Amino acid sequence: EDKVVQSPLSLVVHEGDTVTLNCSYEVTNFRSLLWYKQEKKAPTFLFMLTSSGIEKKSGRLSSILDKKELFSILNITATQTGDSAIYLCAVGAGETSGSRLTFGEGTQLTVNP
Amino acid sequence: EPEVTQTPSHQVTQMGQEVILRCVPISNHLYFYWYRQILGQKVEFLVSFYNNEISEKSEIFDDQFSVERPDGSNFTLKIRSTKLEDSAMYFCASSATGGYTNYGYTFGSGTRLTVV
Repeated sequence: EDKVVQSPLSLVVHEGDTVTLNCSYEVTNFRSLLWYKQEKKAPTFLFMLTSSGIEKKSGRLSSILDKKELFSILNITATQTGDSAIYLCAVGAGETSGSRLTFGEGTQLTVNP
Repeated sequence: EPEVTQTPSHQVTQMGQEVILRCVPISNHLYFYWYRQILGQKVEFLVSFYNNEISEKSEIFDDQFSVERPDGSNFTLKIRSTKLEDSAMYFCASSATGGYTNYGYTFGSGTRLTVV
């Protein structure tokens, strides 16, 4: 059974802090790892990672994948209150295109002013 | 920016009733999905759909569930006889290439289904 585990489950920081969110996985036929931000409803796409060691960056957010150790991290620098959300890690796996995503439990990030 | 649209945003139904949840995926996307999230739990895969047929389904997607793409733009999830445990947020998603581009999968804003 495919498994995705995120840590920590919950994190409270002050504005300006840097945070690192973790995601480890055990899946068969790994294809991609995705990070999403979920505020009120729909998960919104942040990054998709398929290759080890290549950092993806968007503003204050960055992410990297280690396919040997089977984990990914999401970094957020200079956090703002608007970063408060649940961050979801999901892994796409399987033998065919369009296969399912397996989600982790999410990390609830709270950024206090 | 293109969006996946879901209707209704919230539906309340009586146990045993049939419900149809509707989705309009992004127009040039080829892969369609339904996921659900029970309150406080993980997002769970239900079904994927490609080339007018189901390509994969989870253990949750039993005989009471069905999907259809009736007219080339809508993508629907039908639950034949709802149970209390079907109460959840249902997300539709679509992708252009099964998720193998930098854009991944695009999710709709969800339908909150409440079974009473």
